[in-house]
Amino acid sequence: DIQVTQSPSSLSASVGDRVTISCRASQSIGSYLNWYQHKPGKAPKLLIYAASNLQSGVPSRFSGSGSGTDFTLTISSLLPEDVTTYYCQQTYSTPPTFGQGTKVEI
Amino acid sequence: EVQLLESGGGLVQPGGSLRLSCGASGFSFSSYAMSWVRQAPGKGLEWVSAISNSGNSYHVDSVKGRFTISRDNSENTLYLQMNSLRAEDTAVYYCAKGSCPSAGCYRFDSWGQGTLVTVSS
Repeated sequence: DIQVTQSPSSLSASVGDRVTISCRASQSIGSYLNWYQHKPGKAPKLLIYAASNLQSGVPSRFSGSGSGTDFTLTISSLLPEDVTTYYCQQTYSTPPTFGQGTKVEI
Repeated sequence: EVQLLESGGGLVQPGGSLRLSCGASGFSFSSYAMSWVRQAPGKGLEWVSAISNSGNSYHVDSVKGRFTISRDNSENTLYLQMNSLRAEDTAVYYCAKGSCPSAGCYRFDSWGQGTLVTVSS
């Protein structure tokens, strides 16, 4: 199975800060990498697909980059509603695997 | 608007069985792959099973031989039959819509809010 490692596991930032979350795959996965936002008690939400494509309806302050083994999710200007946990997911091979999550706090 | 509503969770003893359901609306259910994804208490997300629009399925190794995913396209409903349940199966189970028809379509563009399964004596 392809392992996906996120860093950091948690971070604290201020409103308006630029926030970056990293995701590293254990082997090259091209651009088969998605990012999700998951608030407690809610349905997870797809933010970015295929490494850098913004899902419809997602605010433009979210962006993704990377290919191969190293990927980044960026929040350009952190808002209070962005406080939650973010997961990357590789879809290059079965089983699809998620990173362990990054908890973003203010 | 896409809506996914899971049901069927609850408390079950180790070795027991449970069937989860996921009712879908707001899209052409028969045209898309569907998956189950779970989250154990205090843990991250783990993909469990997927099924194509036509019924081909995959399961994660830890549930092979115990869980079966199925769907009824006439009823717009996804199922997960869980047998021989273990304590480590305790989790919130989410159904998730794939963005294309094939079982290997793992871009999940809509999710339900989940149903809790607790395996304990």
